[in-house]
Amino acid sequence: SQTIHQWPATLVQPVGSPLSLECTVEGTSNPNLYWYRQAAGRGLQLLFYSVGIGQISSEVPQNLSASRPQDRQFILSSKKLLLSDSGFYLCAWSVLPGQAYEQYFGPGTRLTVT
Amino acid sequence: AQSVAQPEDQVNVAEGNPLTVKCTYSVSGNPYLFWYVQYPNRGLQFLLKYITGDNLVKGSYGFEAEFNKSQTSFHLKKPSALVSDSALYFCAVRDDSNYQLIWGAGTKLIIKP
Repeated sequence: SQTIHQWPATLVQPVGSPLSLECTVEGTSNPNLYWYRQAAGRGLQLLFYSVGIGQISSEVPQNLSASRPQDRQFILSSKKLLLSDSGFYLCAWSVLPGQAYEQYFGPGTRLTVT
Repeated sequence: AQSVAQPEDQVNVAEGNPLTVKCTYSVSGNPYLFWYVQYPNRGLQFLLKYITGDNLVKGSYGFEAEFNKSQTSFHLKKPSALVSDSALYFCAVRDDSNYQLIWGAGTKLIIKP
C-alpha cells in the first residue's frame, strides 16, 4: 500500500531563516506531487505541483520554491522566511492521468515563523 | 470557470441525528467530485468520490454522498452522527483544464452529545 511521509511535524523558525520541508511517497511510481498551505485551519492553497522529476509548476508567486530531486521526493524550501509563511503545510500525491485524480495527503507540517 | 462552493461555514448537529454537509459545483464537462475530512492538526483523509454511475456514493466511516446533476450538487450525508464525526470537511471537483482539484473552503461540522 502507498504511504506518504512529511517531516518535520512541527517547526518554529525565526523570520529571515531558511526552510526545508520534505515529503516522500512509498508504494507508487511516478506520482503527481503537490504542496499545499492551509492558513488558520481552513482553506487549502495550492503552492506547487510536479508531474515528474525536475518538473515543478508554481501556482502562487512567493518566496517559496519546490524541488523534486527523486521520483518520490518533494521538497519545499525558502531562503528567507516571512511571518506570513506561517501555516500548516500539506504534501499530497495522486496517480497518473487517466484516473479520477483523487489526492492522498501526508500528515502535514505545522510551521510557525516568529 | 470551474468552481466548487460549500455554502455553510459551520454545521451543528446533535449526536444520533442525520447530518448533511452541502456542496455545489460548476464544471464544463462531466464532474469528478470528492469529499475529504480533516481532523485537527492532521492531513486530509479521502472519504469518497463520484465519477459516474449510481448517484448515491458510499464511502468511509458510514458517510455517503448524493450526486444531483440538475442541482449541480454533491451533498455529504450520514444517517446518524457521532461526536467523533466532528471535523473539517472539504468538497473538491476535478478541473478539466489541468486535472488538478478545485477545493471548497471547507465546512466545520460540530456534533454535540
